[in-house]
Parts: sequence; structure tokens; C-alpha cells
Amino acid sequence: QQQVKQSPQSLIVQKGGISIINCAYENTAFDYFPWYQQFPGKGPALLIAIRPDVSEKKEGRFTISFNKSAKQFSLHIMDSQPGDSATYFCAASMRGGANNLFFGTGTRLTVIP
Amino acid sequence: DGGITQSPKYLFRKEGQNVTLSCEQNLNHDAMYWYRQDPGQGLRLIYYSQIVNDFQKGDIAEGYSVSREKKESFPLTVTSAQKNPTAFYLCASNYRGQDYGYTFGSGTRLTVV
Repeated sequence: QQQVKQSPQSLIVQKGGISIINCAYENTAFDYFPWYQQFPGKGPALLIAIRPDVSEKKEGRFTISFNKSAKQFSLHIMDSQPGDSATYFCAASMRGGANNLFFGTGTRLTVIP
Repeated sequence: DGGITQSPKYLFRKEGQNVTLSCEQNLNHDAMYWYRQDPGQGLRLIYYSQIVNDFQKGDIAEGYSVSREKKESFPLTVTSAQKNPTAFYLCASNYRGQDYGYTFGSGTRLTVV
């Protein structure tokens, strides 16, 4: 059973456009929601993360929007650049447990010039 | 610089052979994790260890084994019982009980020949 559902599987965006990736979860015990960026042949790297006590977090061109009542969160990439082309994973974890991250299935983003 | 080192980067295994993937970290992290990555399936947890000399099965532990004799090292053995071992293997670590996000290694690509 997939704890975190991610969509779309792939996304093509024009340079300068906005890329939006969505994730949904069921377990209300989750209290930490990171996003990871992975380039081909490399390990994922933490991009940005949010806790449920805020509805939005912005770091540069990357913004997480969080809707606690809907149990959804999304990554917005403003002014998308070809260098943003990568696979993006959302994830969720809960404190007090085994501290494991539950990952979404990933979104392959391609930004075309 | 602190980080996680996985070796080798590429590994080829013959049918019926056991192979061991290395993961070493110098971040002083307590917890370490092994993930398997297949196209379209995201990251699946194989094994994790919160402290030395202790480890737990993840979602897909069958056909794999691990050890945690030192805090810095968490090797993964892919045994002959793993019928479909061709995948990209990722090691990660973090501080136990903290959800600051995982640090990932650069991965090992295992291919059965």
C-alpha cells in the first residue's frame, strides 16, 4: 500500500513556466514532509521540507503548499529552468516511530528551452 | 567533507552469486538505510538500522542481508535468493529521532549478467 501518492508521473514544462507536482497522504500521524531532487545516476538530495503547522514554505524558486485538511501537499517550481530537469520525490515521516521516510513514486520533470 | 560513500558505482552479478554493496558515512549519523530504486516504483526500503548491532527489515527485505558492526558502515549483501536484483541501490543516513531529512549516497547500479 502506497503511503504517499504522487502525481503526475512525468511532466514537461516550457522554460520560464511553473512546474507543479502533487502528493497526497492518508496517515494523519505524518508530521514532516520533505521533497527530494534526483539527477540521473545520483542519489536524491533534500530540496525543501515543511511541517504541518504552516501552509506554505518558500525557498527561492521552490515553494511547498500544504493543505492539512485535504492531506495534500505540492511542490511549485517558479520560472522553471532546463537545469531543474530531474526526478522529484515527495515523502512523509512521523516522529516517534522508526523515523522512516515514506516516498512517493516520483515525477520526472523535463524543462524544455 | 562529510558525506556518504557507496561503492562500487557499478556492479555485475552472475546468477547464483552473492554480492556485497558498501556504504560508509562520516556524518556521525546514528541511523542508516538501504533503498532499492526501480523505474516507476520510487524508493523501496530494504533494511534500516537505528543503532550499532541492530537492524530491522523494511518492505522488501527478502533476498537481502545487512550488518551494522560499526556506526559508520552498513553493508548490504544481495544474496542468490533475490530473484530480480537488477536495480539502483541507495544508502541513506540521518540522526536517530530527528527528521532533518536523509542524506543519500550516490548509489550503486547492480546488474545481473
